[in-house]
Amino acid sequence: QQKVQQSPESLSVPEGGMASLNCTSSDRNFQYFWWYRQHSGEGPKALMSIFSDGDKKEGRFTAHLNKASLHVSLHIRDSQPSDSALYFCAASGANTGKLTFGHGTILRVHP
Amino acid sequence: DAGVTQTPRHEVAEKGQTIILKCEPVSGHNDLFWYRQTKIQGLELLSYFRSKSLMEDGGAFKDRFKAEMLNSSFSTLKIQPTEPKDSAVYLCASSLGVAETLYFGSGTRLTVL
Repeated sequence: QQKVQQSPESLSVPEGGMASLNCTSSDRNFQYFWWYRQHSGEGPKALMSIFSDGDKKEGRFTAHLNKASLHVSLHIRDSQPSDSALYFCAASGANTGKLTFGHGTILRVHP
Repeated sequence: DAGVTQTPRHEVAEKGQTIILKCEPVSGHNDLFWYRQTKIQGLELLSYFRSKSLMEDGGAFKDRFKAEMLNSSFSTLKIQPTEPKDSAVYLCASSLGVAETLYFGSGTRLTVL
């Protein structure tokens, strides 16, 4: 079973709209969570990390973490065509630098 | 600051060949990772080094895959012998350590014929 599961697999939103991505973990050892974004032909790039319960906002991006349910979400407001990419949720435990990645959500922002 | 550098960007190999992929991590980073990316399996960990010591290697990849850190600023991934199922993007990443962000290179796209 995949330890980090993402939904939906793909998502299409209009330019200027809100995109919401979800991630759930099945491993209670995970303490730290990230959202990564990957454009075609490039490596994944970190968008933001979240380690504490609640919301964390960086510009148009807001992450939310609920450690009790091991659920993380990412909300992108005012979505732009340049936000079209593959988005990964990643998690790690307390004593390792290794990240476990979900399968990703393909986001398409259409004009 | 320079990011993670991977070479080559593309590699084409015949089945049975030996190939070596190269990675230069971000200067000062202690942890180095090799991941494989495919559409079906997603991102899978191949190897994880901390301060040049091997911390973890992906169990399924042990027999034909060997990653090494020759020094703190250079790593290689050797695949020997290659098989068509090894066709994938191989990503190198580095970080400062636990609870730190991983920085990825642009990857090497390997095609095995």
